[in-house]
Amino acid sequence: KAGVTQTPRYLIKTRGQQVTLSCSPISGHRSVSWYQQTPGQGLQFLFEYFSETQRNKGNFPGRFSGRQFSNSRSEMNVSTLELGDSALYLCASSLGGPEDTQYFGPGTRLTVL
Amino acid sequence: AQTVTQSQPEMSVQEAETVTLSCTYDTSENNYYLFWYKQPPSRQMILVIRQEAYKQQNATENRFSVNFQKAAKSFSLKISDSQLGDTAMYFCAFMHVLNTDKLIFGTGTRLQVFP
Repeated sequence: KAGVTQTPRYLIKTRGQQVTLSCSPISGHRSVSWYQQTPGQGLQFLFEYFSETQRNKGNFPGRFSGRQFSNSRSEMNVSTLELGDSALYLCASSLGGPEDTQYFGPGTRLTVL
Repeated sequence: AQTVTQSQPEMSVQEAETVTLSCTYDTSENNYYLFWYKQPPSRQMILVIRQEAYKQQNATENRFSVNFQKAAKSFSLKISDSQLGDTAMYFCAFMHVLNTDKLIFGTGTRLQVFP
């Protein structure tokens, strides 16, 4: 089975712009979670989607949003980018139950100038 | 709120030796899972081992084992016969059973294995 894929792998944006990141889960997985990884704040949970519904949400401002499509692919959008949004954005997929392992993608490195 | 603490920012070990990484957590919940994830320099996060809080037996996965002390809220990872490929960041993580797929991570321990 193919692993979790994320596109693009690298992205450079300027302040005030918006960005959309994409995550394709492992085939058959219905849950996709998003995490932000920065040197200062570490790994922080953004949100999780299961069967097109947001099931869990972290403590991020409303500029961060996401959605999931019927094929389980997920997108994450950040509007009005700030310098502090520079980070590695990781997504993970699973079958969706508490006993199920989350598999991570390689991440998208976002740089905001 | 749950928190996860890894008090060792960096560790080093010689190849073939054993090393233990520490993790403590704070929660008022009773049903949860604990994980160790490995993030090599290539950045792909990989699950190393998981422990269900309701299981008293410590989880083992080949050279990796945990010492789970529920009352002390401690969850350490022991790596036996360390290999150069074990060089990575190691993250301890917590998940409550009612918050499936919402992992709360510690700050990580950078492990360097020397030949």
